[in-house]
Amino acid sequence: QVQLQESGPGLVKPSQTLSLTCTVSGGSISSGSYYWSWIRQPAGKGLEWIGRIYTSGSTNYNPSLKSRVTISVDTSKNQFSLKLSSVTAADTAVYYCARDEITPPRRDAFDIWGQGTMVTVSS
Amino acid sequence: DIQMTQSPSSLSASVGDRVTITCQASQDISNYLNWYQQKPGKAPKLLIYDASNLETGVPSRFSGSGSGTDFTFTISSLQPEDIATYYCQQYDNLPHTFGQGTKLEIK
Repeated sequence: QVQLQESGPGLVKPSQTLSLTCTVSGGSISSGSYYWSWIRQPAGKGLEWIGRIYTSGSTNYNPSLKSRVTISVDTSKNQFSLKLSSVTAADTAVYYCARDEITPPRRDAFDIWGQGTMVTVSS
Repeated sequence: DIQMTQSPSSLSASVGDRVTITCQASQDISNYLNWYQQKPGKAPKLLIYDASNLETGVPSRFSGSGSGTDFTFTISSLQPEDIATYYCQQYDNLPHTFGQGTKLEIK
């Protein structure tokens, strides 16, 4: 049973960089069958896809955040990470990591999610 | 970006009712649409993929249909545990985009 777990600081100061890690357990991040995504949700609002990474290190980012986002993978630790620079209060949200399949069926369906971690941007 | 518009934004129904939520895409997305259920304080859960395929373990009272720009999500007989917010998500083009959500409440 694959599980995802987010970790990282819950409080980040404005203009600084938000850094989160997602640890994959119960399976290998290098399996080659999945993308590994970050998704966020401000309180009381909808879901926003941030970006994804493949085991090779290939990435896709949401254009709305692309200039500030870096997603990386560490296959030796079975982890992938998110860095979001120059944060403001608008970046305050619950951040989820999620898995999505590369091939049909369920291509690009987020079938496994972490529990989410709340990040607040405040001085 | 492809815009996904759900309606209604909120819905109140009685146990046993048939509930329908619609999702409209700003352009043709074929059947590249998924549906999720999110309960308060929890991560979303995949219910339907490829517009109409039921995820393993999801009760058969949930169903989805549609293609192109117009999609429907249906609960055939509402149960108390179905109280949640439901989201559609398109994957025809990057970035993946979600509808704004439909909050379902018990009347």
